[in-house]
Amino acid sequence: GAVVSQHPSRVICKSGTSVKIECRSLDFQATTMFWYRQFPKQSLMLMATSNEGSKATYEQGVEKDKFLINHASLTLSTLTVTSAHPEDSSFYICSATRDGKGAKNIQYFGAGTRLSVL
Amino acid sequence: AQKVTQAQTEISVVEKEDVTLDCVYETRDTTYYLFWYKQPPSGELVFLIRRNSFDEQNEISGRYSWNFQKSTSSFNFTITASQVVDSAVYFCALRGEAGANSKLTFGKGITLSVRP
Repeated sequence: GAVVSQHPSRVICKSGTSVKIECRSLDFQATTMFWYRQFPKQSLMLMATSNEGSKATYEQGVEKDKFLINHASLTLSTLTVTSAHPEDSSFYICSATRDGKGAKNIQYFGAGTRLSVL
Repeated sequence: AQKVTQAQTEISVVEKEDVTLDCVYETRDTTYYLFWYKQPPSGELVFLIRRNSFDEQNEISGRYSWNFQKSTSSFNFTITASQVVDSAVYFCALRGEAGANSKLTFGKGITLSVRP
């Protein structure tokens, strides 16, 4: 299979604190991972593309200093929401594509992280 | 620019009914890939199918079937004999030919409710 683990599943924090979310590909290597944000009853909005060993590519309108992405290994990408505020409360979900030929470039998704900033 | 339209927003059926979820896409790429994902209430997106633009053969997997019509730019998804466990939000998505790392364009999703 292709399992993507995302942790934590839920986090509640005070305004002004930073929150780190981890995304791991458990049984495959992933040079590329993606971070999405989803508001209630809405579609997924791509925030950034995370590339192992290089800087992430952010979508227009996403603050790179606010949402720090680190992809230090072929199986782990992290998203840090810095100085979180209530408007950052949302559902964050990551995905990973399996490296190698024949992988069919399918994005496999984690279970998501529900962030609530008080 | 790429676009995915899921015109239906919410569908409610009674168990055992068949239901079709529509997906229409726009792209200028000659090679592209279409996907369907299921998002149950728990939140994770479950991959259902990937279809490339050169393969118009319809596919059946158990109660699920997909109808790819390039002439109408549609990739519809039918659930036969629906079950309560099919209740979820279903997303259709499109990826162009820019490479494996190119992003997915998602539709807005269709909320399917299957009543006992």
